[in-house]
Amino acid sequence: QKEVEQDPGPLSVPEGAIVSLNCTYSNSAFQYFMWYRQYSRKGPELLMYTYSSGNKEDGRFTAQVDKSSKYISLFIRDSQPSDSATYLCAIGGGGFKTIFGAGTRLFVKA
Amino acid sequence: GAVVSQHPSRVICKSGTSVKIECRSLDFQATTMFWYRQFPKQSLMLMATSNEGSKATYEQGVEKDKFLINHASLTLSTLTVTSAHPEDSSFYICSAGDQGKGNTIYFGEGSWLTVV
Repeated sequence: QKEVEQDPGPLSVPEGAIVSLNCTYSNSAFQYFMWYRQYSRKGPELLMYTYSSGNKEDGRFTAQVDKSSKYISLFIRDSQPSDSATYLCAIGGGGFKTIFGAGTRLFVKA
Repeated sequence: GAVVSQHPSRVICKSGTSVKIECRSLDFQATTMFWYRQFPKQSLMLMATSNEGSKATYEQGVEKDKFLINHASLTLSTLTVTSAHPEDSSFYICSAGDQGKGNTIYFGEGSWLTVV
């Protein structure tokens, strides 16, 4: 079993839709939860960072962590074609140890 | 703006030559940096962890003599691909950890290496 499981997609939605991206993890020792966005041929960009259960909102993006279920989610409201990218979840522990999901490819159609 | 800068963004080299890629943390000191390789439509593959002032730690299956890593200062790590071959052509990405921001990892823009 991988430490972080993420459906690679692709996920295709119409413009304006609410997007839900999810990951599960197996090791409860990890304390930090991140979401990165990676456009084609670019390095990943940090979108959201959280270390507690609950929701964290930033503009159209909401990160949700449920430590009891070991489940993390990223919601994108009013999705735009410019949101089309690969979204990577990541869990982090001490010493910068970070495990990345495989990434979900998202396509938002105009 | 970018907090981790990677250079060059694209490089083409001849088979058998060596190429160096630089990774700099711009706004913070990074005692730890990471080097990844990414093939098209695949996830990041960690190659090695670069520690300032000490030897890098390589992941299993990564040739340390081929991928030389030097982390000589708190803001700079370099990856040198030695005696490059066409199969080394890939997207190489570095990242750095910011202890001041809860161990958050920031990535560079990536470097496309093409070996001809």
